[in-house]
Amino acid sequence: GEDVEQSLFLSVREGDSSVINCTYTDSSSTYLYWYKQEPGAGLQLLTYIFSNMDMKQDQRLTVLLNKKDKHLSLRIADTQTGDSAIYFCADKGGKALTFGSGTRLQVQP
Amino acid sequence: KAGVTQTPRYLIKTRGQQVTLSCSPISGHRSVSWYQQTPGQGLQFLFEYFSETQRNKGNFPGRFSGRQFSNSRSEMNVSTLELGDSALYLCASAEGAEGNEQFFGPGTRLTVL
Repeated sequence: GEDVEQSLFLSVREGDSSVINCTYTDSSSTYLYWYKQEPGAGLQLLTYIFSNMDMKQDQRLTVLLNKKDKHLSLRIADTQTGDSAIYFCADKGGKALTFGSGTRLQVQP
Repeated sequence: KAGVTQTPRYLIKTRGQQVTLSCSPISGHRSVSWYQQTPGQGLQFLFEYFSETQRNKGNFPGRFSGRQFSNSRSEMNVSTLELGDSALYLCASAEGAEGNEQFFGPGTRLTVL
């Protein structure tokens, strides 16, 4: 079945850029997503990219997609302490979203 | 527009009981999906409804069921609760049939004792 993989943890200093990586296996994925989850909260849709695009930029967020390698990344510029959260990569190839296990981003002041 | 709302936010039940969770989608959204989030299994898809019809279903036992009403509000029911059903249950709504932008509610935290 479909699988989405992410590294578990990333620590950066405030003001630096953060890059969170994700790989997926479903060749039929049409959209790929990044969600943010803060403690005790639901999932916040940050951004998403259509599978025929290479890059999408939205303010501090840049999404890069390498469809050949099935690799997706999320770059957060000028990372702030408020960006500390768990970030989930997800793909939608078939009937529902398939999520990775999440990357915990820790931002140190 | 108000976001996706879920009630109740927290629930404590005992094994063998049943529970009903409610989700109100964003106004105008007709697609509602349900996901279960646990520390061990992560986020797993339960089912999806569109215009009162279940379109897709995940790999969960028949104890998990749901429905959608004509106003797009959805409920999910879990019967004969087991300890392993303790989880955060998340509802997501999307506007159209494709459901490409899914917006999540805050979730219902279910604890089974």
